[in-house]
Amino acid sequence: NAGVTQTPKFQVLKTGQSMTLQCAQDMNHEYMSWYRQDPGMGLRLIHYSVGAGITDQGEVPNGYNVSRSTTEDFPLRLLSAAPSQTSVYFCASSYTGQGKETQYFGPGTRLLVL
Amino acid sequence: GQQVMQIPQYQHVQEGEDFTTYCNSSTTLSNIQWYKQRPGGHPVFLIQLVKSGEVKKQKRLTFQFGEAKKNSSLHITATQTTDVGTYFCAGSRVRWGKLQFGAGTQVVVTP
Repeated sequence: NAGVTQTPKFQVLKTGQSMTLQCAQDMNHEYMSWYRQDPGMGLRLIHYSVGAGITDQGEVPNGYNVSRSTTEDFPLRLLSAAPSQTSVYFCASSYTGQGKETQYFGPGTRLLVL
Repeated sequence: GQQVMQIPQYQHVQEGEDFTTYCNSSTTLSNIQWYKQRPGGHPVFLIQLVKSGEVKKQKRLTFQFGEAKKNSSLHITATQTTDVGTYFCAGSRVRWGKLQFGAGTQVVVTP
């Protein structure tokens, strides 16, 4: 199993550009989420999904969209990039069964918005 | 809203010493999880605590969930250089609700 994969690893955008961060998992996990990590602020939840077709907002959803058309994929869209969105983005997935709630994180995408 | 605070933010430890990092929530939690992130890496799950007063051990690491389910601690004994990294706690009020992370404790170990 590849686990959780994220592409791209690095990205530079200009203010106002849009892009999609890809996230895929091959563990058949129902639960997937997106976080951003900024220095000194830990990980902040952007959006999450408890299954295909179901998404909900996290702590910092503004400026981001998600969709979950399949169990495997959970892309994150930046609608109009802003310098404040410069960050490291992590995707994570997990089971929803009791005792199997470990969140598996992808390697991250480092995004710089100029 | 729910706030998860973690202290200290930074911990400098001599190899062989013990240390503890603390996690406090403003609300009662359904469960709490701990993660470790090595420099340049991604968070890796360490453990989950669900029951009030629960204590779990993983070799030199001891995790505790408070009786009121609003605080937790991670104690590391005989620190080694392999313990370097940032330790995060994360909790949610309901199962499969929004998981909120603390800001993390960055641990530096000197030989």
